[in-house]
Amino acid sequence: SQQGEEDPQALSIQEGENATMNCSYKTSINNLQWYRQNSGRGLVHLILIRSNEREKHSGRLRVTLDTSKKSSSLLITASRAADTASYFCATDARGGSNYKLTFGKGTLLTVNP
Amino acid sequence: NAGVMQNPRHLVRRRGQEARLRCSPMKGHSHVYWYRQLPEEGLKFMVYLQKENIIDESGMPKERFSAEFPKEGPSILRIQQVVRGDSAAYFCASTPIPSTDTQYFGPGTRLTVL
Repeated sequence: SQQGEEDPQALSIQEGENATMNCSYKTSINNLQWYRQNSGRGLVHLILIRSNEREKHSGRLRVTLDTSKKSSSLLITASRAADTASYFCATDARGGSNYKLTFGKGTLLTVNP
Repeated sequence: NAGVMQNPRHLVRRRGQEARLRCSPMKGHSHVYWYRQLPEEGLKFMVYLQKENIIDESGMPKERFSAEFPKEGPSILRIQQVVRGDSAAYFCASTPIPSTDTQYFGPGTRLTVL
């Protein structure tokens, strides 16, 4: 598997439910980020969590990071139809370049009204 | 403060033609990164440029692809003699310093090679 791999590949839920997406990575990191991409659009930065942090919140978003398992999860609470998008995790590489992000293939989230 | 601008948003080329993709970074940003997204894939790093310098082009195919970021004007990603496999979305991002913290992405250019 490649650095920054999300699962599930696709997730379909009803409005109001919570959505949880996971990301696994292989190498040590300085930080991990989550981005959202609406269909046919650019990427929007959602949240960044550093390697020395375990949990971070931003509005309806909650991100956790477990560096021992090299994994992260993104929880979207009380989902809305407007949350329908692809979600990507992106990592850097500790000891590597300070500018290169590695993205996973993404989770396609569909929130049904 | 305008965000990262990319144009054109959609580009159609026939095999063998040249494609030129432009990226204007955010105001005050002098570091530009190009990524390519193949259908149903994540973004893959291609090249990192500062003004007038290519810093890292390790993700860019050796042939047919080139990038520049002149002193004045936008960054240009140039693809010569395009092939169908070049069909993808090309995104650029910018930062004020070399950083993986919050790279600001443009809306992308969707290249279709017929």
